Amino acid sequence: GEQVEQRPPHLSVREGDSAVITCTYTDPNSYYFFWYKQEPGASLQLLMKVFSSTEINEGQGFTVLLNKKDKRLSLNLTAAHPGDSAAYFCAVSANTNAYKVIFGKGTHLHVLP
Amino acid sequence: DPKIIQKPKYLVAVTGSEKILICEQYLGHNAMYWYRQSAKKPLEFMFSYSYQKLMDNQTASSRFQPQSSKKNHLDLQITALKPDDSATYFCASSPRTEGTEVFFGKGTRLTVV
Repeated sequence: GEQVEQRPPHLSVREGDSAVITCTYTDPNSYYFFWYKQEPGASLQLLMKVFSSTEINEGQGFTVLLNKKDKRLSLNLTAAHPGDSAAYFCAVSANTNAYKVIFGKGTHLHVLP
Repeated sequence: DPKIIQKPKYLVAVTGSEKILICEQYLGHNAMYWYRQSAKKPLEFMFSYSYQKLMDNQTASSRFQPQSSKKNHLDLQITALKPDDSATYFCASSPRTEGTEVFFGKGTRLTVV
């Protein structure tokens, strides 16, 4: 079945620096990709969803890159601020089974002021 | 107002006992899920249901039994509780549409003593 590896598990950056989180997946049928943010003690909130047809997606303060050839998905937070401190999870589902969304193990990001 | 309601928020149980975690969603979604999050296995997919039918089951133990009395309900019965079952259990839902994201409840934090 699908395997999703997320790196790094922990990341500390200074305010204003960029932070990059990467996920690799194994299922070539993976078609839908998601990034979620989980603040301490809270539930998961969707940050962005990406379809396989789009390689670059920009949000407010971050960019998501999808490299289908290498089966790699990355989240790049530009100019991180303390409010970005949270756990981030990538998630993947295949077009052959949209009900099964597999999550990476998460990255705990700490932005130092 | 929360659209996915999980009860209770916190639960302490004795080893060997049985508990039911409640989940109701008011988003009009047809697919519902259970995920488990602990220090050992962050955000682990457990079950998916669509129109009250089991679609996918990744939980090896039969001690975990989902129960769906209505389309917008998916409770989780756990029998013969063990300390290793201690985790936060998240209920989630999504429209029965390929590629849509999963929406999460706030979770039930279960501690087995």
